[in-house]
Amino acid sequence: NAGVTQTPKFQVLKTGQSMTLQCAQDMNHEYMSWYRQDPGMGLRLIHYSVGAGITDQGEVPNGYNVSRSTTEDFPLRLLSAAPSQTSVYFCASSTGTGASGYTFGSGTRLTVV
Amino acid sequence: GENVEQHPSTLSVQEGDSAVIKCTYSDSASNYFPWYKQELGKRPQLIIDIRSNVGEKKDQRIAVTLNKTAKHFSLHITETQPEDSAVYFCAASKGGGSYIPTFGRGTSLIVHP
Repeated sequence: NAGVTQTPKFQVLKTGQSMTLQCAQDMNHEYMSWYRQDPGMGLRLIHYSVGAGITDQGEVPNGYNVSRSTTEDFPLRLLSAAPSQTSVYFCASSTGTGASGYTFGSGTRLTVV
Repeated sequence: GENVEQHPSTLSVQEGDSAVIKCTYSDSASNYFPWYKQELGKRPQLIIDIRSNVGEKKDQRIAVTLNKTAKHFSLHITETQPEDSAVYFCAASKGGGSYIPTFGRGTSLIVHP
């Protein structure tokens, strides 16, 4: 079991560029989420999915898109990168039953210049 | 939606002392309360959780208590060790197909040798 795999680990973008952060899990978890972590702000929910084909917005969705075509994959797309999107991004998954908490990926540190 | 407040933001203790981190939540329907530990540069990892039908849960030096009436829950770490130094996050969520946790802003615990 690889758990939750995120790529890349580090990325530098120029303002206006677009990119996709990849997230894959091999635990057959229904729930997957994307969080961003900024100093003093905790973990803020960007988008989440409760199953293949179902996505919804979280607390800070602007500037980001997601899709969930399979149970395993949940990519996060930055449409036109802005310096305010400089952050550490975590993908996480869970069974969705409340029987266990989230399993987090190792994170992507994104810098937008 | 749910709002989770976490205090203190920073906690400094001597090795061997106890540490207590407190969280309050706003949604009385929340019924699952996990705690995560995030070491520097690492991903958050679940360390303990409690459900609303339980008042206290222990796991070695870690315990969590829940007061549903007051809508607050706490993490207790006894006999702290330097390796307990990390950021701790509380979270709250409700089941019934809506298991998306809301996180507190985190507590940076520093254990001095």
